[in-house]
Amino acid sequence: NAGVTQTPKFQVLKTGQSMTLQCAQDMNHNSMYWYRQDPGMGLRLIYYSASEGTTDKGEVPNGYNVSRLNKREFSLRLESAAPSQTSVYFCASSWQGDYGYTFGSGTRLTVV
Amino acid sequence: AQRVTQPEKLLSVFKGAPVELKCNYSYSGSPELFWYVQYSRQRLQLLLRHISRESIKGFTADLNKGETSFHLKKPFAQEEDSAMYYCALAASGGYQKVTFGIGTKLQVIP
Repeated sequence: NAGVTQTPKFQVLKTGQSMTLQCAQDMNHNSMYWYRQDPGMGLRLIYYSASEGTTDKGEVPNGYNVSRLNKREFSLRLESAAPSQTSVYFCASSWQGDYGYTFGSGTRLTVV
Repeated sequence: AQRVTQPEKLLSVFKGAPVELKCNYSYSGSPELFWYVQYSRQRLQLLLRHISRESIKGFTADLNKGETSFHLKKPFAQEEDSAMYYCALAASGGYQKVTFGIGTKLQVIP
């Protein structure tokens, strides 16, 4: 049982490049989330999907887009990467209405 | 807006000593509170939640609404407890209302 799987684990981008972070869960959870973690700032919610077919902005959505491809998969896209998007990105999932999350192992992204 | 404060970035204790990781919050409603743990080179995982009132790996946490705190405690620290610990608060109103603290690194000295 893999839980929540994120790919890639590491990525270096040049400013202006685009990329998609992939996330998949095999727990049949309804809800999925993308967070970013920066030093001294804790985890901040970028986007979330309460259920298949819905997505909503979190605290820091600017510069990102998401796609809830199906119940299992929730991707995060950076259309034009900026150095301010250098961070560690975490995907998480849960049952709808449950705030106890299962996290992926993270993607460390560096934008130069 | 709600806030979660973990006042210590680093807490060092000797093996066998008691541990208390502090978490204070500000929120006007009834929160749901959690502790997450991240061991070295592992993913963030849920440790416990206040509504369960359970002990996990010897850790307990009690919600004190009067002091707006949710401190994590363990009577005798073990070396394997060394990790990053994050306190989180879920406020009413939806997923955007989950707030994490910045984390405390617990270092257990052998």
